[in-house]
Amino acid sequence: EAGVAQSPRYKIIEKRQSVAFWCNPISGHATLYWYQQILGQGPKLLIQFQNNGVVDDSQLPKDRFSAERLKGVDSTLKIQPAKLEDSAVYLCASSLDAYGGKGNTEAFFGQGTRLTVV
Amino acid sequence: ELKVEQNPLFLSMQEGKNYTIYCNYSTTSDRLYWYRQDPGKSLESLFVLLSNGAVKQEGRLMASLDTKARLSTLHITAAVHDLSATYFCAVGRTDSWGKLQFGAGTQVVVTP
Repeated sequence: EAGVAQSPRYKIIEKRQSVAFWCNPISGHATLYWYQQILGQGPKLLIQFQNNGVVDDSQLPKDRFSAERLKGVDSTLKIQPAKLEDSAVYLCASSLDAYGGKGNTEAFFGQGTRLTVV
Repeated sequence: ELKVEQNPLFLSMQEGKNYTIYCNYSTTSDRLYWYRQDPGKSLESLFVLLSNGAVKQEGRLMASLDTKARLSTLHITAAVHDLSATYFCAVGRTDSWGKLQFGAGTQVVVTP
């Protein structure tokens, strides 16, 4: 079974530029998450999608971050304009169903995109 | 707000000895996950604990969950070098079990 795919793996941009990350979840997974992991910290949830709808974006800095999940499959996360403090690894994860039986909620993570803002 | 605390944050292990990592959380949940992360890599799922008293073992690692005490432990038996990594616990939030609140991680270094 293919895992969660993310691209690019690495990105270096200057502050105030824009950047976009792409995620393809495991086939059949209804729930998709974007996490931000700052160096030395645990991942922090930014946004959760259930199919193509946003379930929770309370932690997403909406003045500069946006995300969408077209057709309930792939997702993109965008930052515009980027700040120095956005330097982090952006992890995409998916699970079968966040609201279903207990066995359906295990999240599988992609390799992440390491963003450096200079 | 759900808070998850891991300790210790850094653990220097000697090969062959036993160690425990602790994960405390602040509000009710009966879903607890342990992940391993190698430098520059993503998170690898180790254990999924879904009920009070759950115990799971894989090789030299054993995880347990006490929902009454809001505590999970990850026990390492006879540490070996290839267990060097950062270990995270994550607690499922009750508003959506799939949303995870992570601890800060425990960096483990195993030396001869």
